Amino acid sequence: GAVVSQHPSWVICKSGTSVKIECRSLDFQATTMFWYRQFPKQSLMLMATSNEGSKATYEQGVEKDKFLINHASLTLSTLTVTSAHPEDSSFYICSATLSQGAGGYTFGSGTRLTVV
Amino acid sequence: TQLLEQSPQFLSIQEGENLTVYCNSSSVFSSLQWYRQEPGEGPVLLVTVVTGGEVKKLKRLTFQFGDARKDSSLHITAAQPGDTGLYLCAGEEDNAGKSTFGDGTTLTVKP
Repeated sequence: GAVVSQHPSWVICKSGTSVKIECRSLDFQATTMFWYRQFPKQSLMLMATSNEGSKATYEQGVEKDKFLINHASLTLSTLTVTSAHPEDSSFYICSATLSQGAGGYTFGSGTRLTVV
Repeated sequence: TQLLEQSPQFLSIQEGENLTVYCNSSSVFSSLQWYRQEPGEGPVLLVTVVTGGEVKKLKRLTFQFGDARKDSSLHITAAQPGDTGLYLCAGEEDNAGKSTFGDGTTLTVKP
């Protein structure tokens, strides 16, 4: 079945630094990947849609200059949290699908970001 | 923006009891998924429903998609402690290419 690998699983960084999170589709090519943010005991909030070879589509209210998304290949999308602040601390999850619609999505295992 | 409302938000039951989780919206979905998520991990897909009125069973779990494709339910029979987790429904509108998630239902099954 489809497997999505996310790395790192957790990271602690200092306020003001940048952190890169990788999302890889291991056994399939994903032209589209999605990045979510999740707060404790809450649902997933879609941040952006990552399109291979083109600019990401950001949801309303998500700062594109703060959350940089790069989808340079069919198997890799990266999310960089720039100039991180404590309020950026959260659980970040990526997902991908073999085909849009009717198939559901495969999620990565998530990245716990803590900014101190 | 489509909204998906899940109920109940929290549910704590004893092992062996039955339960139903509801997912409702005013929007029509081309497909709807149910996921289960454990703390510190990503959601795991349980089922996808695409046809109005569709019923799917996965062992003790029964999923139903409403006739109008606006709502869905998840019924668990004889719940077990291993069923504990966050259950999420997610709907995809036609050609939207992305899913909107419900608020989630946190289920705790006590032994």
